[in-house]
Amino acid sequence: EPEVTQTPSHQVTQMGQEVILRCVPISNHLYFYWYRQILGQKVEFLVSFYNNEISEKSEIFDDQFSVERPDGSNFTLKIRSTKLEDSAMYFCASSEDEQGNTGELFFGEGSRLTVL
Amino acid sequence: LAKTTQPISMDSYEGQEVNITCSHNNIATNDYITWYQQFPSQGPRFIIQGYKTKVTNEVASLFIPADRKSSTLSLPRVSLSDTAVYYCLVDYGGATNKLIFGTGTLLAVQP
Repeated sequence: EPEVTQTPSHQVTQMGQEVILRCVPISNHLYFYWYRQILGQKVEFLVSFYNNEISEKSEIFDDQFSVERPDGSNFTLKIRSTKLEDSAMYFCASSEDEQGNTGELFFGEGSRLTVL
Repeated sequence: LAKTTQPISMDSYEGQEVNITCSHNNIATNDYITWYQQFPSQGPRFIIQGYKTKVTNEVASLFIPADRKSSTLSLPRVSLSDTAVYYCLVDYGGATNKLIFGTGTLLAVQP
């Protein structure tokens, strides 16, 4: 069964450092997403991406965040200058169609980011 | 903001049927109702999606009344491995492509 893969599974970084989280969505999917989940809290939407541009973003997704699809397979989330409160599990997801229009989101296993 | 309301937690025993109800009073005409399951330290996993009446797959059933202001996820004969958080989501607006998760329902299945 095709799956979304994420790397690294866990990253520890110092506050102020740049972090890039990588995702390989399912190959025939067209929509890509990043979500995050702070420990013990709910899953929060960050950004959606379609046709090489951001479709929607939440208020969490401020100027320190950026996304990119540098080639035909990877989808990355960059955090420019990490803060302590960025510590969370970051989930990548992809879908064939727009979610809600019979489209299902497939989530990866997540990348745990710890900012010290 | 999430526009769904679910119980924070539920308890059950192995072999029982579990029904988790979600309220979504402001659902729009073109919105679908989707349920996801999440185990600790894993990404959410799609369970089932429906628009109206009843949908059944190999894992669960989804019951949606005519007014669509609520929905019920039914898990037949739960096992210990069904212990997880279950999220009810509604895609408001139809044209958006994001999921807004609420707090979900923590289902604890005991032996």
